[in-house]
Amino acid sequence: KAGVTQTPRYLIKTRGQQVTLSCSPISGHRSVSWYQQTPGQGLQFLFEYFSETQRNKGNFPGRFSGRQFSNSRSEMNVSTLELGDSALYLCASSNTESYGYTFGSGTRLTVV
Amino acid sequence: DQQVKQNSPSLSVQEGRISILNCDYTNSMFDYFLWYKKYPAEGPTFLISISSIKDKNEDGRFTVFLNKSAKHLSLHIVPSQPGDSAVYFCAAQMFSGGYNKLIFGAGTRLAVHP
Repeated sequence: KAGVTQTPRYLIKTRGQQVTLSCSPISGHRSVSWYQQTPGQGLQFLFEYFSETQRNKGNFPGRFSGRQFSNSRSEMNVSTLELGDSALYLCASSNTESYGYTFGSGTRLTVV
Repeated sequence: DQQVKQNSPSLSVQEGRISILNCDYTNSMFDYFLWYKKYPAEGPTFLISISSIKDKNEDGRFTVFLNKSAKHLSLHIVPSQPGDSAVYFCAAQMFSGGYNKLIFGAGTRLAVHP
């Protein structure tokens, strides 16, 4: 059973640009959540999608957005990148009938 | 509003001894708690969990204890091994109305030295 796949693994972008990250959940998982990890800040919740609808949203500015497709794959977009957006972005999928998430390996975004 | 807190950012333990990682929470509606382990440049991996109706769950060298009255849980690793060196995240989950949001603590970096 394939795990959660995130692409790309690494990205370098310039301040002001926009970026799109992709996440393919475990087959059969309909819930996809996104987290940002920065040093000393732990895992900050961005948003959760279920059946193409955003169900939960964290305290991030509107520059951070996402969507989910009918096959449960999800994308996250960050517009007008800032230096502080440099982080590891993690995607996790879950089966609503069970607890816990399965995480992907993350996308390391560096904004220069 | 930090609903899940890990107040120790780091912990250093000698190989073979016990590691105790602590976690506090504020919301009594949480009904499931999990511990994740994370190595650098990788996603967190599930380690062990406990339902709010239990007070202890054991899996090999790992035991999680839950004290609901104190809103406190802890992860015990016995004996600690160098391969256990990683960041450990405590997480709490509320499963109501199909919502599955997982709230994480800030993490504790465990270093197990020979």
